[in-house]
Amino acid sequence: QVQLVQSGAEVKKPGASVKVSCKASGYTLTSYYMHWVRQAPGQGLEWMGIINPNGGSTNYAQNFQGRVTMTRDTSTSTVYMELSSLRSEDTAVYYCARTRMYPVDYFDYWGQGTLVTVSS
Amino acid sequence: EIVLTQSPGTLSLSPGERATLSCRASQSVSSSYLAWYQQKPGQAPRLLIYGASSRATGIPDRFSGSGSGTDFTLTISRLEPEDFAVYYCQQYGSSPYTFGQGTKLDIK
Repeated sequence: QVQLVQSGAEVKKPGASVKVSCKASGYTLTSYYMHWVRQAPGQGLEWMGIINPNGGSTNYAQNFQGRVTMTRDTSTSTVYMELSSLRSEDTAVYYCARTRMYPVDYFDYWGQGTLVTVSS
Repeated sequence: EIVLTQSPGTLSLSPGERATLSCRASQSVSSSYLAWYQQKPGQAPRLLIYGASSRATGIPDRFSGSGSGTDFTLTISRLEPEDFAVYYCQQYGSSPYTFGQGTKLDIK
């Protein structure tokens, strides 16, 4: 069965970087695009960007341009999202979610989420 | 960027009642590329509806979606206790993907 398993919770200081992983199983990583979506406490969902594991091309939302980097390791079926220059407003749960196509496709599977807390 | 506005913000109903949730887009959503997700506390969102009206695998038929262009609706015909959650609409017809701010469905 399809599973997206994310790394554990992180606590970071302002200005630091965080790298969250998302390990895919039950399907071929390179057959689906992987997105990152975040949710601040008590807030809605915000799309951060996408990586095509087949080749590694990316497309980042304007709000995160210059601060986010998405990468993949096909040998371990894992994708990564690194966010730099963290500030308190980046405190959120970060989700990976896949689509078969991009853009015209919906999220059919999601990871369990990774809480990133930014605090001095 | 397409802005999605959901209404109402909170909907208080009793089990067995009918729920109607609205999602309005700032511009036309191409080819009805609109999805609905359900989210319960501490959980990831779950896909309910895609293509505005197609139910995802395993979703009960009390959930239905309708609409096109800029106006979309999620209807839950008879609320079950497990349906009380937050519901989000999302457009995936153009980048960036965008979500509505959510409708919280709570027990009256």
